[in-house]
Amino acid sequence: NAGVMQNPRHLVRRRGQEARLRCSPMKGHSHVYWYRQLPEEGLKFMVYLQKENIIDESGMPKERFSAEFPKEGPSILRIQQVVRGDSAAYFCASSPPRQGAYEQYFGPGTRLTVT
Amino acid sequence: GEDVEQSLFLSVREGDSSVINCTYTDSSSTYLYWYKQEPGAGLQLLTYIFSNMDMKQDQRLTVLLNKKDKHLSLRIADTQTGDSAIYFCAERGQGNLIFGKGTKLSVKP
Repeated sequence: NAGVMQNPRHLVRRRGQEARLRCSPMKGHSHVYWYRQLPEEGLKFMVYLQKENIIDESGMPKERFSAEFPKEGPSILRIQQVVRGDSAAYFCASSPPRQGAYEQYFGPGTRLTVT
Repeated sequence: GEDVEQSLFLSVREGDSSVINCTYTDSSSTYLYWYKQEPGAGLQLLTYIFSNMDMKQDQRLTVLLNKKDKHLSLRIADTQTGDSAIYFCAERGQGNLIFGKGTKLSVKP
């Protein structure tokens, strides 16, 4: 059973460009979470999605950031008009569709560098 | 508000026990987690504990929970150089996890 897949692993964008980060959850998982990790910091929650639904986007910046998890295909985190402050590691996690510990399994992350 | 605090650094000698401490503020947290992050990698779930437990043991790992003091600890027995990493404590929020800043564990041979 493959783990959570993220691509690309490294992404370099110039200021003003768009960044698209992809996440494929573990097989059988229908819940996806995106987190951002700034250097020397812990992970900060951004958004929680289920298939075709945004459940909680309380951690998402109000502008330039959007996320989706379509019926088919990976979840996408999209950052428009990137700025230097967007440089960070972006992690996706998935969890199974059941009550309980809701343990989240993380992907390897996408390291975004804005030049 | 919700907040998770950890000391930033811990250094131990190979073979000793390591104890990493964490405090949290949300008394309604149902689950608390420990994750390990190696350089350049994602987070690996090590273990979690339900809030009605006060201890959980899994091989070299022992988790202790003091719910009254909102204090969580992770003990690693017989620490090895391969245990060198950053360890994150997390509590479960509404659906997401709330992380501390991480404790960097250095293991000296």
